[in-house]
Amino acid sequence: GAGVSQSPRYKVAKRGQDVALRCDPISGHVSLFWYQQALGQGPEFLTYFQNEAQLDKSGLPSDRFFAERPEGSVSTLKIQRTQQEDSAVYLCASSLGSWDKGYTFGSGTRLTVV
Amino acid sequence: AQKVTQAQTEISVVEKEDVTLDCVYETRDTTYYLFWYKQPPSGELVFLIRRNSFDEQNEISGRYSWNFQKSTSSFNFTITASQVVDSAVYFCALRAGSARQLTFGSGTQLTVLP
Repeated sequence: GAGVSQSPRYKVAKRGQDVALRCDPISGHVSLFWYQQALGQGPEFLTYFQNEAQLDKSGLPSDRFFAERPEGSVSTLKIQRTQQEDSAVYLCASSLGSWDKGYTFGSGTRLTVV
Repeated sequence: AQKVTQAQTEISVVEKEDVTLDCVYETRDTTYYLFWYKQPPSGELVFLIRRNSFDEQNEISGRYSWNFQKSTSSFNFTITASQVVDSAVYFCALRAGSARQLTFGSGTQLTVLP
């Protein structure tokens, strides 16, 4: 596609529910990143894929967070047993190569845990 | 560790005024890249500029200009003759050394009043 597409755009989950957030990167983009953006803050890194390989997951805040990109294109960020502190915008970004000059971001998924 | 500081949380200006957004970064790496992104209310991060640590030339693009000073670890962004459409949150970000991900500042909310 022309840009990075994320779905759903908004998600409301009851505390304890599992959620899955989807990212469709730009076709052919090798690198894919997930970021978490709390209200009024800058995005914070969660995890990074190069093709299907998850090369860095140092930013995942707990073992309730899991990300995959099985075929090197679409990625899913899963959060198990959601908690209120998980409420945030989850942004996905992709780039053509590892050292590409820019990253294209999606519009994000706003997750609200009630 | 990498750090980006945007001390200005909110700035309001009247249309046609010039405005400068400050960014101070910290890194021990000698090779790094600095970025500015714009985040309009729709949520996506729009890439504005990338500058590498070996290029201290200032850059101008239309009404936008950037002042990179390694001596003060700053990468400030100036909008000349601001317009209402410039209203957004602006983020400065850093990618340093071998890291693929960006470290973001907390952002500056710019409001341009008509």
